[in-house]
Amino acid sequence: DVKVTQSSRYLVKRTGEKVFLECVQDMDHENMFWYRQDPGLGLRLIYFSYDVKMKEKGDIPEGYSVSREKKERFSLILESASTNQTSMYLCASSLSQGAGNEQFFGPGTRLTVL
Amino acid sequence: GQQLNQSPQSMFIQEGEDVSMNCTSSSIFNTWLWYKQEPGEGPVLLIALYKAGELTSNGRLTAQFGITRKDSFLNISASIPSDVGIYFCAGRKAAGNKLTFGGGTRVLVKP
Repeated sequence: DVKVTQSSRYLVKRTGEKVFLECVQDMDHENMFWYRQDPGLGLRLIYFSYDVKMKEKGDIPEGYSVSREKKERFSLILESASTNQTSMYLCASSLSQGAGNEQFFGPGTRLTVL
Repeated sequence: GQQLNQSPQSMFIQEGEDVSMNCTSSSIFNTWLWYKQEPGEGPVLLIALYKAGELTSNGRLTAQFGITRKDSFLNISASIPSDVGIYFCAGRKAAGNKLTFGGGTRVLVKP
């Protein structure tokens, strides 16, 4: 079974702090994704990566950056956290692109920015 | 911005009832997916649809890929208490692996 793990289930940070959210997958998947989930808005893609050291902006990249130094690990960075970044953050991975290579999700990190 | 309209936003189920939800878009998608999210967990894939008109079942769940490729439907038959959760539709266009998600349907049990 694919396992996607996220470093924290709950996190509380202060405005202006730098925040790191870590995601690790154990199935040698090429693709990794970061989403945020807000009530009524579903999941919105922040950034994704198709390969090591490669990243592409999703639909809402502002205020975020990412890092993929190793294939199994994809980090989401909030350079200076703001209260409107309070949300549930979900990491996902998929083996490859296209039909049949669907995304598996981690359990999520609920981030509160005070 | 979000392109998938999912309805209803929430619903109450009574054990034994059949329920349905749908997802519509102004754009064409080549893949439709349905996920379920339980409290404290990430979404889990229920059904994947790859062909217009396709009807696929997974136990008591049945989903259809609309003929116009702009919509999809999920039905749950004979609902049980563990069906509670948030159901998300997601669509993928031709290129790449990016998904667009609907806003979710929250399924609750009638008190």
